[in-house]
Amino acid sequence: KNEVEQSPQNLTAQEGEFITINCSYSVGISALHWLQQHPGGGIVSLFMLSSGKKKHGRLIATINIQEKHSSLHITASHPRDSAVYICAVDSSQGGSEKLVFGKGTKLTVNP
Amino acid sequence: NAGVTQTPKFQVLKTGQSMTLQCAQDMNHEYMSWYRQDPGMGLRLIHYSVGAGITDQGEVPNGYNVSRSTTEDFPLRLLSAAPSQTSVYFCASSYRIFVSPLHFGNGTRLTVT
Repeated sequence: KNEVEQSPQNLTAQEGEFITINCSYSVGISALHWLQQHPGGGIVSLFMLSSGKKKHGRLIATINIQEKHSSLHITASHPRDSAVYICAVDSSQGGSEKLVFGKGTKLTVNP
Repeated sequence: NAGVTQTPKFQVLKTGQSMTLQCAQDMNHEYMSWYRQDPGMGLRLIHYSVGAGITDQGEVPNGYNVSRSTTEDFPLRLLSAAPSQTSVYFCASSYRIFVSPLHFGNGTRLTVT
C-alpha cells in the first residue's frame, strides 16, 4: 500500500463546479503539501499545512491530522484549473528527510 | 530572483553515455533534491542535500551521483545512461525541509535510446 493515496485519479468537471480532491496518508508527518502541475509544465507549490485550513483565492486546503486526511477544494472551477494536483507529505521515518508523493489527480475542467 | 534554474530542458542520450543535469537556486535554500517522474508513478526522490557538503540517497539512487560543493548548485550526474533512466527529472529546493514549501525547476525530459 502506498504511503500516500489520492482520489480520484481522474476528475472531469464543468466550469463553475465545486471540486474536491482527497489525500490520505499512513505515516506520521510534519506537514502536507499540495502541488499543481500543468500539462507539459513545471510544478508549483499551492499549500503547505500541518493543521486546520488554508485559503488562497478559490483554493482551500484542509487537513485532519487525527484521521490522516487532507482535502483540496476548488470553488467556481475554471478551465485554467485543469492540471494534475499532487499531494505530498513530509516523512522522517527511517531517519531520512524526504517527501513522499501521491500519484496525482488529473483534473479537467470543461467550459 | 530566478528561483530554481534547471538545465537542459531536453536531452537525448545513447545507452552508456554520461551527462550532468544542472540545478541552481538563488534563494539561499539549505535543502535541494532531485526527483524523477514516470507515467503512472508519483515523483520519486533520487538524492537530496541538507546543506553544502552533505548529500544522501533517496528511494531510487542507483545510476546517479550528486555533489553539493556550494549552497547554490546541486548537479545530478548520470554515470552510464540506461533506457530505464528515460524520465522527466525535477530539481527542487526549500529553505529548510519540513518547515517551508518546495520550489521546483521546470524539469528536464531525458530520453535514453
